[in-house]
Amino acid sequence: AQSVTQLDSQVPVFEEAPVELRCNYSSSVSVYLFWYVQYPNQGLQLLLKYLSGSTLVKGINGFEAEFNKSQTSFHLRKPSVHISDTAEYFCAVSVRGNNNDMRFGAGTRLTVKP
Amino acid sequence: DARVTQTPRHKVTEMGQEVTMRCQPILGHNTVFWYRQTMMQGLELLAYFRNRAPLDDSGMPKDRFSAEMPDATLATLKIQPSEPRDSAVYFCASGAGQGWSGELFFGEGSRLTVL
Repeated sequence: AQSVTQLDSQVPVFEEAPVELRCNYSSSVSVYLFWYVQYPNQGLQLLLKYLSGSTLVKGINGFEAEFNKSQTSFHLRKPSVHISDTAEYFCAVSVRGNNNDMRFGAGTRLTVKP
Repeated sequence: DARVTQTPRHKVTEMGQEVTMRCQPILGHNTVFWYRQTMMQGLELLAYFRNRAPLDDSGMPKDRFSAEMPDATLATLKIQPSEPRDSAVYFCASGAGQGWSGELFFGEGSRLTVL
């Protein structure tokens, strides 16, 4: 089965600094990749997704991610973070043709400091 | 504004009591998931349904957990009897089924505390 590893459990950054949240996946077949964000006391909401085509994917709130097949990675980036970006971020993977089985990483807690 | 609705939002109960959590998926979505979130284990997939039929419930403790979809607008997750280790936030999510890109729409969760 596919799996996801988020390499950092916590990432503290200062406001207006760039940030990268790392995600690696493992699968023997082609996959779809997702990043979700969870604000306190809320459910997860989709930030962006990679299905096919361009490996650079842009999402909401100024985030983007790049699919790297050779390195099996899907890192999330933002050039300048805001206090409001403080949240938990989850990378997720599902197998093409079996969207029912979506696996989430353990999450990365992004804390943006003033 | 279409959204997944979960009830109750918070539940405190005593060990041994039955707990039922309910989920109303987005109208037209035919795939429903139950996840459990804890600090220690993160997000765990408990079960999922397509067209109301259970496709996989291997993530659920079978002796005490059960999940059903009595109709297309209601999914339930029941714990009987509940134990302190069941304390967690339980999320329901729905998706659009065949041909769907895979995006999940999550409810706000049901926070369960078992004393």
